[in-house]
Amino acid sequence: QSALTQPASVSGSPGQSITISCTGTSSDVGGYNYVSWYQQHPGKAPKLMIYGVTNRPSGVSNRFSGSKSGNTASLTISGLQAEDEADYYCSSFASSSTPWVFGGGTKLTVL
Amino acid sequence: EVQLVESGGGLVQPGGSLRLSCAASGFTFSNYWMYWVRQAPGKGLEWVANIKPDGSVEYYVDSVKGRFTISRDNAKNSLYLQMNSLRAEDTAVYFCTRGWTYAFDIWGQGTMVTVSS
Repeated sequence: QSALTQPASVSGSPGQSITISCTGTSSDVGGYNYVSWYQQHPGKAPKLMIYGVTNRPSGVSNRFSGSKSGNTASLTISGLQAEDEADYYCSSFASSSTPWVFGGGTKLTVL
Repeated sequence: EVQLVESGGGLVQPGGSLRLSCAASGFTFSNYWMYWVRQAPGKGLEWVANIKPDGSVEYYVDSVKGRFTISRDNAKNSLYLQMNSLRAEDTAVYFCTRGWTYAFDIWGQGTMVTVSS
């Protein structure tokens, strides 16, 4: 059981927007602005897409955006493209014996 | 090019040991916290351990405390994970990753560790 809760799967058609949620507690997501999101294609290493809740690293498309409300963070992908089909993981710093926690991952299917 | 390359994975019997290595290039290795993150087959990501830039502080997930040791050699731009008393549940791809603004911005390709008799 992962520390952060994500939906197992989401889907959308090309051009549409989707949002993936990531729910934690006041000891992780809600307590720090240190939520990050990762994209992972099958057999590949994860790729950082969002850091510090809302920030995009250089080179990441502005179709990807992040937000947070209370103990839940969200990743929104607009203008869905076929290459966005992948697994997405959220992560947060946490004030516990496990300082870094991940969500269980969400499989995005582009229909 | 900024790069992390892991090595050292393989098949090991329960109770055995393995040492993973991660070679860093393209950045000043000694300036960054470094991490090991693993992913069991078909499962999600799990933080395993991390180490301060100067090697003076280490943190571990509870399930590996006392069995795994993270270390680094800044002169060789290398990160290590010594894994002892391996269990079946340690079977995973192990990724080396760089810490940056409370995220993990550079990842290696991963090395597979299989614990089985």
